[in-house]
Amino acid sequence: GAGVSQSPRYKVAKRGQDVALRCDPISGHVSLFWYQQALGQGPEFLTYFQNEAQLDKSGLPSDRFFAERPEGSVSTLKIQRTQQEDSAVYLCASSPRQGVGTDTQYFGPGTRLTVL
Amino acid sequence: LAKTTQPISMDSYEGQEVNITCSHNNIATNDYITWYQQFPSQGPRFIIQGYKTKVTNEVASLFIPADRKSSTLSLPRVSLSDTAVYYCLVGARARNTDKLIFGTGTRLQVFP
Repeated sequence: GAGVSQSPRYKVAKRGQDVALRCDPISGHVSLFWYQQALGQGPEFLTYFQNEAQLDKSGLPSDRFFAERPEGSVSTLKIQRTQQEDSAVYLCASSPRQGVGTDTQYFGPGTRLTVL
Repeated sequence: LAKTTQPISMDSYEGQEVNITCSHNNIATNDYITWYQQFPSQGPRFIIQGYKTKVTNEVASLFIPADRKSSTLSLPRVSLSDTAVYYCLVGARARNTDKLIFGTGTRLQVFP
């Protein structure tokens, strides 16, 4: 009965470096979401997967952000050429079904990214 | 998607009942109202969800008037561990996705 896990929990990168953030959703969950949370703000949607299909990437702030979920389970959020404004907590969430707006989303603890 | 408005912060003391009201004037007919709780260094956690009237679970109650333009999250007899940020969400379903739209939330501080 493990929940959503994310790794690393903390990441410090120098400006211009590439980073990869990993999310392990709850086993069997169809839907997977990535959110970005700046300090003192609520989470903001980045992208959504239904199994391996990325159905919505409207929240990705630039083409430096890329997400994948190749086998419909683990997902990776990659940020290329990191900038200081990318510093935030990146949250992953999963939910059991698809296309059900009332489903509870289960969040991981997040990865805190600091770009120096 | 319906926009929500809720107080930025609230203070309370242990043992008191806390009511956090959220306004959502342009809620759509098929929208549900959902509340999440977030502790520092953790992801948000689902508390309660409702469509109309009243919903109660082991953690909280949710009151929704007939016009559904607002809702009130009620936390009975809060403790120090209820200190957190509380988010009201409406209209989670957008197009073909189920993304959640968070506002800035209400920061609840419980004092001993």
